[in-house]
Amino acid sequence: GQQLNQSPQSMFIQEGEDVSMNCTSSSIFNTWLWYKQDPGEGPVLLIALYKAGELTSNGRLTAQFGITRKDSFLNISASIPSDVGIYFCAGSSNTGKLIFGQGTTLQVKP
Amino acid sequence: EAQVTQNPRYLITVTGKKLTVTCSQNMNHEYMSWYRQDPGLGLRQIYYSMNVEVTDKGDVPEGYKVSRKEKRNFPLILESPSPNQTSLYFCASSSRTRGDTQYFGPGTRLTVL
Repeated sequence: GQQLNQSPQSMFIQEGEDVSMNCTSSSIFNTWLWYKQDPGEGPVLLIALYKAGELTSNGRLTAQFGITRKDSFLNISASIPSDVGIYFCAGSSNTGKLIFGQGTTLQVKP
Repeated sequence: EAQVTQNPRYLITVTGKKLTVTCSQNMNHEYMSWYRQDPGLGLRQIYYSMNVEVTDKGDVPEGYKVSRKEKRNFPLILESPSPNQTSLYFCASSSRTRGDTQYFGPGTRLTVL
C-alpha cells in the first residue's frame, strides 16, 4: 500500500532553535496534514494543506505542500518546551483514507 | 463542545473474548475512521465510513468489524481478539467538505492477554 517516509525520526534540540521535518511519498496526494500528539492524547491537527505549492502558517509553525504533490515539510521557529511531542504528517487523496508517516519525536531542552 | 469520545479508555481482556469499543462524535460529521497506533509504525487506518451504512476497509482491517447505523456513532468490534491486537486505538471524524481534516478522540488502550 501507500507509504509515507517521515524524517527525522527524532530530534533533540535547544529551546529557541528552529526545527524542520519532512515527509515524502511515492504517490501523489491531494491533501497534506500535520498533526501533533502529546503523551496520552489523540493527535491534534496543526495545519492542513489543500493545494500544491501552498505555504501556510499557524503561529510559529509553517508548512508547505510540495509542488510535485509527493512531499511536505513542517517548520517550527523559536522552539519552546511545550513543543515537545510527536509530529505526524498525513496524506490523502480525498477518499476518506488517510496515510500517516511514522512520526517525528521532538524533545526540547530548556 | 465539539468532540470525539471513545469508551472505554483502557481495557484489558483475554484472547477470544468479544469486545466493542464505542466512538461518538457531536459535530454532525459524515466521515468517521478507526486507527491503531503501534510504536515505530505511526497510525494505520483500520476501517472508515463516509456516511451512514457505508463502510470501507483501511490498511489493516483483518480481525476487526465496524458498523455505521447512525451518523454520530462508529463502534469498533473485535469478535475474537488476539494478542497482536494489543494497541492504542483512535477514532476520528471529519466533515464531507473537508473529508481529510480529521479530528481525533482521546484513544483506547487495549491489552489482549
